[in-house]
This record gives sequence, structure tokens and C-alpha cells, in this order.
Amino acid sequence: GAVVSQHPSRVICKSGTSVKIECRSLDFQATTMFWYRQFPKQSLMLMATSNEGSKATYEQGVEKDKFLINHASLTLSTLTVTSAHPEDSSFYICSALGSGFYGELFFGEGSRLTVL
Amino acid sequence: DQQVKQNSPSLSVQEGRISILNCDYTNSMFDYFLWYKKYPAEGPTFLISISSIKDKNEDGRFTVFLNKSAKHLSLHIVPSQPGDSAVYFCAASGVAGNQFYFGTGTSLTVIP
Repeated sequence: GAVVSQHPSRVICKSGTSVKIECRSLDFQATTMFWYRQFPKQSLMLMATSNEGSKATYEQGVEKDKFLINHASLTLSTLTVTSAHPEDSSFYICSALGSGFYGELFFGEGSRLTVL
Repeated sequence: DQQVKQNSPSLSVQEGRISILNCDYTNSMFDYFLWYKKYPAEGPTFLISISSIKDKNEDGRFTVFLNKSAKHLSLHIVPSQPGDSAVYFCAASGVAGNQFYFGTGTSLTVIP
């Protein structure tokens, strides 16, 4: 079946640095990918919708200058957390929309970011 | 405001019995619903879906029921197995099909 790979699975960085997380669809082309953040004991929070070749659409309250999303190809979307702070520490998950009109979402394994 | 709600944060069920996980939504424009299963430190995996033109969809031990008038859906797992212990998220999608909203999840524990 379709597989979405996220890398890195864990990253630790110092406050003030930037971190890039990659999301790849391995055996299908994904024109639309999503980025989520999961807070402890809360739901997956949709951060932004990433469409190949165009600017990402951010959900209300998500800082687009802080969470840079690039969807440069049909198989790769990246999330860059710029000038990371400890409060950015979280579990980030990407997903890619399947090929059907109402295709299922295929999720990456998630990336645990820890900002010291 | 949470458009998809799972009011039960946790559920414990004996192995072999039925597990029923509930989900409510507020937006009548949602027309596609999905259930995902998530283990700790992993991304969710797709479980089963249902379109608003149906009221039931079955896949093996998993059945999803949709009550559009009540804006309610439920996931039935029967018989429940210890390996089913995970967090279950319901999700809803609008007409455009490119926006998904998730509930807060229900942690299911199946007791051997």
C-alpha cells in the first residue's frame, strides 16, 4: 500500500536554531499534503495544507513565518521550524492525500522535536 | 471551536467483547468520515471510512455507523482483541475533500 515516510523521526535542537522535517510519499504522487502537530492528550491539530507548486494554506493561529512549508515536488513536502523555542517541542505528523477524489490520508511516522 | 468531538477520552473493554467508539460533528457540510488508529510515537493509520450517502460500512471486525440527522458516527470493533489497544481518532472531511478535521481521540484498552 501507499507509504509516507517522515524524516527525521527524532530531533533535538538548541533554542534559536531551525529544524527541517521531510515528508515523502514513497509510491504515489501527492498533490496535497498536510502537516499536523499533536499536543499531549489533545487531538491532532491541523497546521497547514500543502499543495504542490503553490503556497501552503495555514490554519488560524499558526504562524506561517515560523513554520515554513514547502511542497516543491509531488513526492516531497518539508516543514521548517524557524528560530525554534522550547514551546515548539512537539510531535509533528505529515499526511498525504491519496489519489482518489476522497482518497484516504496516508500518514508519516511522525517526528518528535525537542528544543532545548 | 472543535468541529469533530470524541467525548470519551478512554474506554476499557474485555477481550472478545464489543468496543464502541463514538464521534460527533457539528458541520453538516462534512460528507466523508474516517477512523484512524494510532499507537504511541507513531503516525495514525487509516482504519475505515464512510461516505455520507451510506449509513454503514463494514470491514472485517470493524464497522462504522453514520447517523447524519444526529451528526454522529460510531466505530464498532467485534470481537475486540488486545492488539486493538490504541488511540482511535475520527476525522471528517468537507466537500472539497482536502481538509480534514480530527476529534480528540479515544484511548481503547482491551483487557485480555
